Amino acid sequence: EPEVTQTPSHQVTQMGQEVILRCVPISNHLYFYWYRQILGQKVEFLVSFYNNEISEKSEIFDDQFSVERPDGSNFTLKIRSTKLEDSAMYFCASRGSGGNQPQHFGDGTRLSIL
Amino acid sequence: AQKVTQAQTEISVVEKEDVTLDCVYETRDTTYYLFWYKQPPSGELVFLIRRNSFDEQNEISGRYSWNFQKSTSSFNFTITASQVVDSAVYFCALSEAKRAAGNKLTFGGGTRVLVKP
Repeated sequence: EPEVTQTPSHQVTQMGQEVILRCVPISNHLYFYWYRQILGQKVEFLVSFYNNEISEKSEIFDDQFSVERPDGSNFTLKIRSTKLEDSAMYFCASRGSGGNQPQHFGDGTRLSIL
Repeated sequence: AQKVTQAQTEISVVEKEDVTLDCVYETRDTTYYLFWYKQPPSGELVFLIRRNSFDEQNEISGRYSWNFQKSTSSFNFTITASQVVDSAVYFCALSEAKRAAGNKLTFGGGTRVLVKP
């Protein structure tokens, strides 16, 4: 069964550094998402992406964040200058056409900011 | 704005008992979608079931069943004859059917289920 893959599984970065989290969505999916989950808390929406542009973003997704689909397969989340509070699990998700289609999640990238 | 509430933070049962997870949601949309996801200790998020707002038929899928009550804005989930492998955090999620947006998921706070042998 096709799946969403995320790399790396764990990223340790110094505060203030830039970090790029990578995702390969399911190949025939058109809608892409990033979520984050701070340890022990709920899963929070960051951004949705469709047709090569952001379709919706949350208030968490400020100017330090950006997303890109650099080629036909990858979908990346960049944090320009990381802060301690960016430490979390970041999940990528994708879904097919049709609003009732479930989003399928990758295994996540655990980001630790020192 | 949409909101999902899971009042139960943790449930502990003995294997083979049934466990029901409560979910209450708020939305101003008339068309929306509801989901349950499972997060085992390994951390990934696994899709379990979905329900459209216009379909109130309740169903059973294996050991999973769900009770969707639009009148009370509830979408409860039951695991029948629980097993140790069911131990996980379960999230209820809501997606509004906005064509212009990306149908983001709004998650509840999760319910941790511990199934003891």
